[in-house]
Amino acid sequence: AQKVTQAQTEISVVEKEDVTLDCVYETRDTTYYLFWYKQPPSGELVFLIRRNSFDEQNEISGRYSWNFQKSTSSFNFTITASQVVDSAVYFCALSEPSSGFQKLVFGTGTRLLVSP
Amino acid sequence: DTGVSQNPRHKITKRGQNVTFRCDPISEHNRLYWYRQTLGQGPEFLTYFQNEAQLEKSRLLSDRFSAERPKGSFSTLEIQRTEQGDSAMYLCASSPGRGEEAFFGQGTRLTVV
Repeated sequence: AQKVTQAQTEISVVEKEDVTLDCVYETRDTTYYLFWYKQPPSGELVFLIRRNSFDEQNEISGRYSWNFQKSTSSFNFTITASQVVDSAVYFCALSEPSSGFQKLVFGTGTRLLVSP
Repeated sequence: DTGVSQNPRHKITKRGQNVTFRCDPISEHNRLYWYRQTLGQGPEFLTYFQNEAQLEKSRLLSDRFSAERPKGSFSTLEIQRTEQGDSAMYLCASSPGRGEEAFFGQGTRLTVV
C-alpha cells in the first residue's frame, strides 16, 4: 500500500539556519511521482516540486533543494538560510499508476516555524 | 486571478443541514479533484473528475456526499445531513493532465455545530 511518512511533526529554527524536512515513502511500483507542497496559514497548498521515480538527480531552486534517494525511499527537502516567510506546513505526497497518477497520497506534514 | 477558486471560504452549519461548496478550476485544466483535510493531517483524496466524468470516488465519500461537474467546468460538492465529523477543510485542485502537478484552491472550512 502506498504511504508517505513525515516523522517530524514540528521544527523550530532561527532565521538564517538551514533546515531539512524528511519524507519517506512506500510503494510497490517502479513508476511514481513525488511532490512537495507548502501550506501557509492562508490554507492554500502551494506546489513546490514534482519528481518522477526515474529522475534521481538532486534539484536546487534558489534556497530550496531536494534530495531524492530511491535506495532509502526518501525525498528530503532542505531550505537554506531560512526566512520567517518560510514558516508553514510542508507536505510530501506520492502518486502511483494504480490511481492513474490521479490521486495524491499525502504525509501528515511538518510544521516549520522560523523565528527572527 | 487565474488560480483555483473556492466558495465559500468558511461555512458554519447546524448538524443535519445540507451544505454545498463550489470550485472553479483553472480554465484549461480538465482534471478536478476534491480533498478533505482535518486538523493536523494531510489532505485525503475524496474524488476526481476528468472533464464532466467522475472517475474515482474514495470510500471516505459516504452516501451523504455527492459531487458534480456539469459541462466539465466548475464543480460542486454537497454534503447532506451534515454531522460533526464532517467538520474539516475541503480542498479543490485542478491539473492539466495525468501525473501533472495539481494546483489547489484556498479551501472551504466547514464547521458543523
